[in-house]
Amino acid sequence: AQTVTQSQPEMSVQEAETVTLSCTYDTSENNYYLFWYKQPPSRQMILVIRQEAYKQQNATENRFSVNFQKAAKSFSLKISDSQLGDTAMYFCAFMNPNTGNQFYFGTGTSLTVIP
Amino acid sequence: KAGVTQTPRYLIKTRGQQVTLSCSPISGHRSVSWYQQTPGQGLQFLFEYFSETQRNKGNFPGRFSGRQFSNSRSEMNVSTLELGDSALYLCASSSSGQITDTQYFGPGTRLTVL
Repeated sequence: AQTVTQSQPEMSVQEAETVTLSCTYDTSENNYYLFWYKQPPSRQMILVIRQEAYKQQNATENRFSVNFQKAAKSFSLKISDSQLGDTAMYFCAFMNPNTGNQFYFGTGTSLTVIP
Repeated sequence: KAGVTQTPRYLIKTRGQQVTLSCSPISGHRSVSWYQQTPGQGLQFLFEYFSETQRNKGNFPGRFSGRQFSNSRSEMNVSTLELGDSALYLCASSSSGQITDTQYFGPGTRLTVL
C-alpha cells in the first residue's frame, strides 16, 4: 500500500523568506511519481511541481524546488522568496503506474505567508 | 482553453436522497478522475474514466457510481446519501490518463448532507 505523510498541519512564513514543507511516503515500488499540489482558498488544485523517481536531479520550477531523497522516501518542497499568493493548502501526492492513474495524497500543510 | 468545470458548485441534500454531480473536462481531455475531500480523510480517489470506460476504482461503497459520455463529460452519482458523504468532490482531467500527463482539477462541488 502507498501512504503519504505530511507531518506539518500548519506553517507560516514571512513574505520574501524561504520555507520548506515536509513529505514522506511509503512504497515498495521502484518506479513512481511524486507531486506537490497547491489548493488556494478558492479551492482549485494547481500542480506546483512533479518529480519522477528514476530521475536523480531534483525538480525546480521558478521559486519552487524539491529535495527528493529516494532512499529515505522523503520529498520536501522549498518555496523561496515567499509571496502572499503562496498562501494555500499544499498537498504532497504519489502516483504509481502499477495502480493506475490515481493520486495518493497526504493530509496537507496549510501555509500562511505573513506580510 | 477553458478549465475543468464542475456543476453545481454547492448542493444541499438530506439523508437518503441521491445526488448527481457533473464534470466537464478540458477540451480534448479524455480521462476524468473523481476525488472526495473531507477534513477527516483528506483526499481519496473514487474512480477514473477514460473513453467512457471505468479504468480504475477506489475503495468506496457501491452507492458511489459514475459514468462518462462520448464527449468526455463525466457524472458521479451517490445514492442513499449519508451524513458522512458531506464533502468537497473534485474532478480532474488529463489528456490521455497517462501518468506523465498533467492532471487539471476543477473547483469542486461542495455537497452538504443534512
